[in-house]
Amino acid sequence: GQQLNQSPQSMFIQEGEDVSMNCTSSSIFNTWLWYKQDPGEGPVLLIALYKAGELTSNGRLTAQFGITRKDSFLNISASIPSDVGIYFCAGQRVQGAQKLVFGQGTRLTINP
Amino acid sequence: DGGITQSPKYLFRKEGQNVTLSCEQNLNHDAMYWYRQDPGQGLRLIYYSQIVNDFQKGDIAEGYSVSREKKESFPLTVTSAQKNPTAFYLCASSIRDRVDQPQHFGDGTRLSIL
Repeated sequence: GQQLNQSPQSMFIQEGEDVSMNCTSSSIFNTWLWYKQDPGEGPVLLIALYKAGELTSNGRLTAQFGITRKDSFLNISASIPSDVGIYFCAGQRVQGAQKLVFGQGTRLTINP
Repeated sequence: DGGITQSPKYLFRKEGQNVTLSCEQNLNHDAMYWYRQDPGQGLRLIYYSQIVNDFQKGDIAEGYSVSREKKESFPLTVTSAQKNPTAFYLCASSIRDRVDQPQHFGDGTRLSIL
């Protein structure tokens, strides 16, 4: 099955820095989702995007649904230690079945 | 509190043995899903069910089986035919046919081979 192309695979940053990651696909998606996963736990939904061009914020997180519907990015401003984890993008193409296609994840490490 | 409960947290399987992973939700969701996660990779869909007594294969269904006898339960059996079962298994659920209601996940079961 298809997986989305998510980059970067890993990031090592200093506390307080801004973070940017993105996902691209060769196919169109109707919905883009961003999840965060802590070790040994399930992914937790951060932001959901439902319209092309949509820009949505959730606290220090901002995500955009690309105009072409083939990409999305997630920005984290002023990173803090609890931002450490793995971030996944997911695209949903089929209405009703709601099947998700996931990126490979971006592992974020923060140096205090 | 409403949520998705997966059990056990850790599971060990002997060669040639079938094992069943439990997933229960009290969110009144119609749709439920099983994913497999391998290190350094995203989640891959094994099976999904949109309604009781009905389910469909996902991208990597070979070696797995499911049942959906009750709305709140969607157990996954990893059969002996699955030659590489070691992975982190995640269950999710969502409201059916609502694109504005995304999937929410349980905390997973880590399966290892003895």
